[in-house]
Amino acid sequence: AQTVTQSQPEMSVQEAETVTLSCTYDTSESDYYLFWYKQPPSRQMILVIRQEAYKQQNATENRFSVNFQKAAKSFSLKISDSQLGDAAMYFCAYRASSGTYKYIFGTGTRLKVLA
Amino acid sequence: DAGVIQSPRHEVTEMGQEVTLRCKPISGHDYLFWYRQTMMRGLELLIYFNNNVPIDDSGMPEDRFSAKMPNASFSTLKIQPSEPRDSAVYFCASSLWSKRDYGYTFGSGTRLTVV
Repeated sequence: AQTVTQSQPEMSVQEAETVTLSCTYDTSESDYYLFWYKQPPSRQMILVIRQEAYKQQNATENRFSVNFQKAAKSFSLKISDSQLGDAAMYFCAYRASSGTYKYIFGTGTRLKVLA
Repeated sequence: DAGVIQSPRHEVTEMGQEVTLRCKPISGHDYLFWYRQTMMRGLELLIYFNNNVPIDDSGMPEDRFSAKMPNASFSTLKIQPSEPRDSAVYFCASSLWSKRDYGYTFGSGTRLTVV
């Protein structure tokens, strides 16, 4: 069965600095999708970035980028120039490209941004 | 588009009472998901529907839980009778199959407290 692990329950970063959130996953599939979701105090789950496993190029969305290491089954999120509004829970998620449409989520990392 | 709409936002009920959570997906979306979020277990998929038909309900914890989708614009998750361990945030999410690789759109969740 596929699993997603986020080993950092909580992280802190100074405003304007860079922080990296870790995520590892386990799967026997060769084709799949990975996602990072942000959950601010409002509870709304917001998609931050996605990565297709068959693409070697790391995805980027403005200040957010990923380091996707397929062989290592690692998918970390880098937030550059951190802002106070980045404070939230961040969830890593996995979905196989075929078969069930289920997403599997990690347990989350709480990011604190210090002014 | 108003997004995925869930009601109520908060619900407090006594043990043994019936609870009904409601969800209106984004118009045109053909998939609907119910997730439960707790500190201990994170985000768990309870059930999902495709074109109003339940596809996978393996995550429904027990017979006290039931979900319906009578039409494309409305779904309910019912707990009868409720127990304190059902206290959690319940999320509804929807998606379009043609955009399945781009993540779900989540509602803001219903925080359920059973006392």
